[in-house]
Amino acid sequence: QSALTQPASVSGSPGQSITISCTGTSSDVGGYNFVSWYQQHPGKAPTLMIYDVIYRPSGVSNRFSGSKSGNTASLTISGLQAEDEAHYYCSSYTNTNTPVLFGGGTKLTVL
Amino acid sequence: EVQLVESGGDLVPPGGSLRLSCAASGFILSSNYMTWVRQAPGKGLEWVSLIYTGGSTYYADSVKGRFIISRDISKNTLFLQMSSLRVEDTAVYYCARGGYTSGPISNFFDHWGQGVLVTVSS
Repeated sequence: QSALTQPASVSGSPGQSITISCTGTSSDVGGYNFVSWYQQHPGKAPTLMIYDVIYRPSGVSNRFSGSKSGNTASLTISGLQAEDEAHYYCSSYTNTNTPVLFGGGTKLTVL
Repeated sequence: EVQLVESGGDLVPPGGSLRLSCAASGFILSSNYMTWVRQAPGKGLEWVSLIYTGGSTYYADSVKGRFIISRDISKNTLFLQMSSLRVEDTAVYYCARGGYTSGPISNFFDHWGQGVLVTVSS
């Protein structure tokens, strides 16, 4: 099964907002509200930022928010900070025999 | 505090075997679904395998028939037995704990280990 589609890179200035998209199909993103987002800094393990499309784990800043429309999910980061510079990966439940799918990842650069 | 500590990474020749371990603490491993995710050098995350609490297992097509996920309840440890290793299996392997909500299982992962490097090369 193909990976979910994310832009390779996005950028923004401190204080601005950016949005990262994650496009799948009706078998994954579009079919279920089971999209999660992970942040990964270089050399570190991923960290859960959003689950079930819109929910933030405790400890995650409310500058991070998630949404979904049709087969595309989105992660929005408002009030960009230098520490937000990282790779971001979306993931979705799928109704196939490979029940987890990741996106290719997006590198966020804070200018 | 939830902790996941992977071990067992090594340099192995193509065709070789290796077993990765993921020691869990701060929670009961068998009460959570668990997964292995890998990341080849400079590449993105790739889901590898998952085991649900009832014991059902799932694998990515790229490793099916070569990798086996299992757990030892007495040791609170997750394993990944890898055989017929290929150069393209070279990656950092992460174990991660499945997260729960009040709704159905949605396959998100709320705690990750630090990762362990597997290098397949002659």
